[in-house]
Amino acid sequence: KQEVTQIPAALSVPEGENLVLNCSFTDSAIYNLQWFRQDPGKGLTSLLLIQSSQREQTSGRLNASLDKSSGRSTLYIAASQPGDSATYLCAALNNAGNMLTFGGGTRLMVKP
Amino acid sequence: SAVISQKPSRDICQRGTSLTIQCQVDSQVTMMFWYRQQPGQSLTLIATANQGSEATYESGFVIDKFPISRPNLTFSTLTVSNMSPEDSSIYLCSVDGQGALGPLNYGYTFGSGTRLTVV
Repeated sequence: KQEVTQIPAALSVPEGENLVLNCSFTDSAIYNLQWFRQDPGKGLTSLLLIQSSQREQTSGRLNASLDKSSGRSTLYIAASQPGDSATYLCAALNNAGNMLTFGGGTRLMVKP
Repeated sequence: SAVISQKPSRDICQRGTSLTIQCQVDSQVTMMFWYRQQPGQSLTLIATANQGSEATYESGFVIDKFPISRPNLTFSTLTVSNMSPEDSSIYLCSVDGQGALGPLNYGYTFGSGTRLTVV
């Protein structure tokens, strides 16, 4: 059974810092890995999707990498802003494409 | 990618009552998924709903408590029945990147969530 872990569980940084969020998964047989953002009490917004054959994806100040062999993904946020404050979730999709397993999330606070 | 309209966005309900949550997708999709997110926790899959067949429930979730309807390829409902305070959670519907008309490969898309408080 796939298990997804995110470290750290919470992170507080001053505005402008570059930061890295970590995601690890136990079963490397994944179809893709997706990073989401969740604001308090809200739904999930997809940030980046990395297919199993890809190494990284970039969108604006966000860069996500994937190392399937070691079971790890990282989300890099450059020049953090207070508006980046949210919970970030990673999720691994199995090869059958029908089971998305979530990590526990990293709660990020960016202080002005 | 698909756009999902989910309602209600929030509700406060009395214990013992039921609430039905609706999700409407702007395109035809084969599977729809229902998740629960308890306070401070990550998402847990409740069930997968295919059009024209019974929903498939994950361990710990039963049809009598969480009946699901999937009348067509763009709509689904989840009912939380006989509610207790332990049912207070955010409930989310989702679709995958596969459409009924072919693979879309956009990853999973989620509705905006229903924040349920049971008092």
